[in-house]
Amino acid sequence: DGGITQSPKYLFRKEGQNVTLSCEQNLNHDAMYWYRQDPGQGLRLIYYSQIVNDFQKGDIAEGYSVSREKKESFPLTVTSAQKNPTAFYLCASRQHVDTEAFFGQGTRLTVV
Amino acid sequence: EDQVTQSPEALRLQEGESSSLNCSYTVSGLRGLFWYRQDPGKGPEFLFTLYSAGEEKEKERLKATLTKKESFLHITAPKPEDSATYLCACKAAGNKLTFGGGTRVLVKP
Repeated sequence: DGGITQSPKYLFRKEGQNVTLSCEQNLNHDAMYWYRQDPGQGLRLIYYSQIVNDFQKGDIAEGYSVSREKKESFPLTVTSAQKNPTAFYLCASRQHVDTEAFFGQGTRLTVV
Repeated sequence: EDQVTQSPEALRLQEGESSSLNCSYTVSGLRGLFWYRQDPGKGPEFLFTLYSAGEEKEKERLKATLTKKESFLHITAPKPEDSATYLCACKAAGNKLTFGGGTRVLVKP
């Protein structure tokens, strides 16, 4: 069954900690994306990657980092520099530049 | 800067009461407009892609249309299971999708 898997579903972070959110896809898509969703708001782009070993900042990249060492994996690290990390994080992938994006089920991150 | 605005923010419907959701956009060189459905605590589920003005797509009780400035998602005779947030996104040249804020739809039996 092809799709995008995000883990964990829920994540709790203490102040000053870095945490990493996992995103794996078996759709053989080249492009992968990370979005942040806050209550009542649309999705905002954090980072995206079009090919392995290459990625670009989105609109709200500060306090986040990514890597793309394998085609199927695009992990997101939320660093201690991100001052307001509590949000719903969504990973997506796309086959071609003008086609639809498919999303994972999300990770809800809460700072405790 | 690309902008996508959805209205209304929320919509309460009786079962069977048809309505339309609006997505207006200001995008240079639209390369695709996408509609998604999102249930609480879940990732968005793809519904439709529209590429050019005049295009229409249908799926069950949903129909999406596109003009040069806006798109509509028509919900015909909705059922309670159509309750969700509906998201609109636009793609111009490049790799970015710009999302609207969504319309929360509640269909009461």
